[in-house]
Amino acid sequence: AQSVTQLGSHVSVSEGALVLLRCNYSSSVPPYLFWYVQYPNQGLQLLLKYTSAATLVKGINGFEAEFKKSETSFHLTKPSAHMSDAAEYFCAVPTPTGANNLFFGTGTRLTVIP
Amino acid sequence: GAVVSQHPSRVICKSGTSVKIECRSLDFQATTMFWYRQFPKQSLMLMATSNEGSKATYEQGVEKDKFLINHASLTLSTLTVTSAHPEDSSFYICSAHDRVGTDTQYFGPGTRLTVL
Repeated sequence: AQSVTQLGSHVSVSEGALVLLRCNYSSSVPPYLFWYVQYPNQGLQLLLKYTSAATLVKGINGFEAEFKKSETSFHLTKPSAHMSDAAEYFCAVPTPTGANNLFFGTGTRLTVIP
Repeated sequence: GAVVSQHPSRVICKSGTSVKIECRSLDFQATTMFWYRQFPKQSLMLMATSNEGSKATYEQGVEKDKFLINHASLTLSTLTVTSAHPEDSSFYICSAHDRVGTDTQYFGPGTRLTVL
């Protein structure tokens, strides 16, 4: 079954430093891949979505993710971290049930150090 | 972007009572909505898929008689936690699938349920 794995449950970066959050997908190339952000006590907000139209996907808040088939990866990056980026980030992939369900990774908590 | 609302955002109830949570898609129609449960510092776990005009599809291990789902219209799904107990305390998040427009799930802000 299709799934995603997020390496690193916690990532800490200094303000202004590069943000790299890792996500790897399993098995076959998925039609879609998503990154969502969750701020404390809030729901999820879509950051970006891969649709196979382009391997480099730009999202909101300066984030982008690159789909690499050779590495089965879809890592999330941002050149310069801001304090407001501190949140939980989830990678997600549609399940193959055909019901548009999403399988979520375990999440990565990003801490930005001033 | 598409907006999904949830009501209430926070609810505290006594053990044994029932709680209803509403999920609305505000600017698009959603034939499919999803209900997730999130425990502290954990990922989202899909509870059920709510289909407009038909019965919900529950994930394995989710009690359908305890978590009643109704999707009466294209913009509203409700989750009722019946006879709630402290172990039902959790963060419940709904999402609505914009099939026609962006083919993307949009999430509500979540409902924090605390059962005393």
